[in-house]
Amino acid sequence: AQSVTQLGSHVSVSEGALVLLRCNYSSSVPPYLFWYVQYPNQGLQLLLKYTTGATLVKGINGFEAEFKKSETSFHLTKPSAHMSDAAEYFCAVSDQDDKIIFGKGTRLHILP
Amino acid sequence: EAGVAQSPRYKIIEKRQSVAFWCNPISGHATLYWYQQILGQGPKLLIQFQNNGVVDDSQLPKDRFSAERLKGVDSTLKIQPAKLEDSAVYLCASTRGEAGGATGELFFGEGSRLTVL
Repeated sequence: AQSVTQLGSHVSVSEGALVLLRCNYSSSVPPYLFWYVQYPNQGLQLLLKYTTGATLVKGINGFEAEFKKSETSFHLTKPSAHMSDAAEYFCAVSDQDDKIIFGKGTRLHILP
Repeated sequence: EAGVAQSPRYKIIEKRQSVAFWCNPISGHATLYWYQQILGQGPKLLIQFQNNGVVDDSQLPKDRFSAERLKGVDSTLKIQPAKLEDSAVYLCASTRGEAGGATGELFFGEGSRLTVL
């Protein structure tokens, strides 16, 4: 069965600094990987996804993530944080049957 | 394109009472999911429908939770009787995907926040 581990339930970065949110996965088959964002009192919204092909995936709002099979990782990055990036971020994995398993989430705080 | 609609947005009940949540997925989306999101945790899958059939309900507490998706469109999730630990946001999501494939991009509703006193 697949699973996801997100390192750090809270991450704080200064505005303009690099954002790095860590995600490691476990899957018995080639996985599909996702990052979702959740703003307060809203549902989850897809940021980006990896299915096949290029391992560096670009998403919305300047975010990107790199699939590293050897490290079973799918870390989320953004070169320069904005105040509007403050939200909760969820990494998720699917074993291609449309069943998606979410991590526990990382709350991103942006310091002025 | 209209998004996933859920109601009610908020519900407060006392323990042992019952509650029902409704979800209308995006038109044409074959797969519908109910997730439970407890404060501070990630969404946990309760049940997955493919059209009007259940694909996975292994984590649904069937002694108190039930869900149906009549005619393969709208869905309702019911809790009876509710316990304090059922306090959570119940998220409905849908996707175009057919069972056994597809990219699995989920479209979420805004959720129904349940408080059990």
